[in-house]
Amino acid sequence: DAGVIQSPRHEVTEMGQEVTLRCKPISGHNSLFWYRQTMMRGLELLIYFNNNVPIDDSGMPEDRFSAKMPNASFSTLKIQPSEPRDSAVYFCASSLELDRVNTGELFFGEGSRLTVL
Amino acid sequence: AQSVAQPEDQVNVAEGNPLTVKCTYSVSGNPYLFWYVQYPNRGLQFLLKYITGDNLVKGSYGFEAEFNKSQTSFHLKKPSALVSDSALYFCAVRDIRSSSNTGKLIFGQGTTLQVKP
Repeated sequence: DAGVIQSPRHEVTEMGQEVTLRCKPISGHNSLFWYRQTMMRGLELLIYFNNNVPIDDSGMPEDRFSAKMPNASFSTLKIQPSEPRDSAVYFCASSLELDRVNTGELFFGEGSRLTVL
Repeated sequence: AQSVAQPEDQVNVAEGNPLTVKCTYSVSGNPYLFWYVQYPNRGLQFLLKYITGDNLVKGSYGFEAEFNKSQTSFHLKKPSALVSDSALYFCAVRDIRSSSNTGKLIFGQGTTLQVKP
């Protein structure tokens, strides 16, 4: 399996521009998570989906952030307009639904490093 | 409230010596506990987990962790450290408050392990 695939790996943009980060989860996984990692705040959960439905978006910092999962194999995280304080590494992770066999460990992508100038 | 704490920002150890990275947790009920490792410019990788059973859990790369219910701890250990073990290590606990069967994890702030030759 190819694992969780994120694009772009690096993005440099100017303040005010729209940024779209993309994620392809592992085939068959039905939960998808977006995390943000910074030196100051560590690893923060932004939003997660189960079976393409957003379950908890309480970690989304503000209305400038939005996430969608139109199908089981694709998700986007959009920032519009972007600000310098959004600079971070954004990770996507996927997992199988918890049951007696699957214990919910997450599989992470390699991340998208965003720099907003 | 569910939480996990890693009391050390950094652990330094000489190559060949045993290492311990500490983690304590606070959950209601029985915890699902995990360790992840992050190498520079990479995503998090699953190392090992404790769900139930034997308190000593063995994982990837020779790592193990000991679940101690009375001390609410889940310390990561390795008998003989390698320079290549130098990385950022995260402890995580599954949030059992999740309203659905997802693998939502609460992560600690991370501990940087530095192994010197």
